[in-house]
Amino acid sequence: DVKVTQSSRYLVKRTGEKVFLECVQDMDHENMFWYRQDPGLGLRLIYFSYDVKMKEKGDIPEGYSVSREKKERFSLILESASTNQTSMYLCASSPPGTGELFFGEGSRLTVL
Amino acid sequence: EDQVTQSPEALRLQEGESSSLNCSYTVSGLRGLFWYRQDPGKGPEFLFTLYSAGEEKEKERLKATLTKKESFLHITAPKPEDSATYLCAVQAPGYSGGSNYKLTFGKGTLLTVNP
Repeated sequence: DVKVTQSSRYLVKRTGEKVFLECVQDMDHENMFWYRQDPGLGLRLIYFSYDVKMKEKGDIPEGYSVSREKKERFSLILESASTNQTSMYLCASSPPGTGELFFGEGSRLTVL
Repeated sequence: EDQVTQSPEALRLQEGESSSLNCSYTVSGLRGLFWYRQDPGKGPEFLFTLYSAGEEKEKERLKATLTKKESFLHITAPKPEDSATYLCAVQAPGYSGGSNYKLTFGKGTLLTVNP
């Protein structure tokens, strides 16, 4: 089975902490994405990457950064977590140019 | 700005009661329209891609259709296991980077099928 694996299903962090969310895919996809999903707001794109060491801002990049040092791994970093970053975070991957995304199971982050 | 509106927000059906979900969109240069299914606590799962008006795709009890302004997901004789949130997304040019396109999601329709 092809897979996108997110490192943590549930995290609880304190305001101001640095948070790392990691995502690994085994499909050799060029594109990788980080979304957040909130009730009433739907899925919103934070960042995406179309190649190793390449990244593009999505619709809501403020307060986040990303790292892609290897093709299979895409990390989302919250430099200083805030309560408004409490959310479900979803990683996805795809071949180039397609909207057929493969999603991970999600990481539910709570910032206290 | 690309917009995707899904209706209704929630739909409750009896098992066997057929219905349709709607996805209306405003986008410049539609490259594709995508349907996903999302179960509670899980990531979305891809269902269909539609590229041009008049196109139809089917999978088991689901059929997706596309016009120039909207898409419908028809559910025929649904079963309780079809209960999920169904998401629609449109793909259009939106970012730099050559062949990369922007995917804009609707907020979804929560479908509940009662036995």
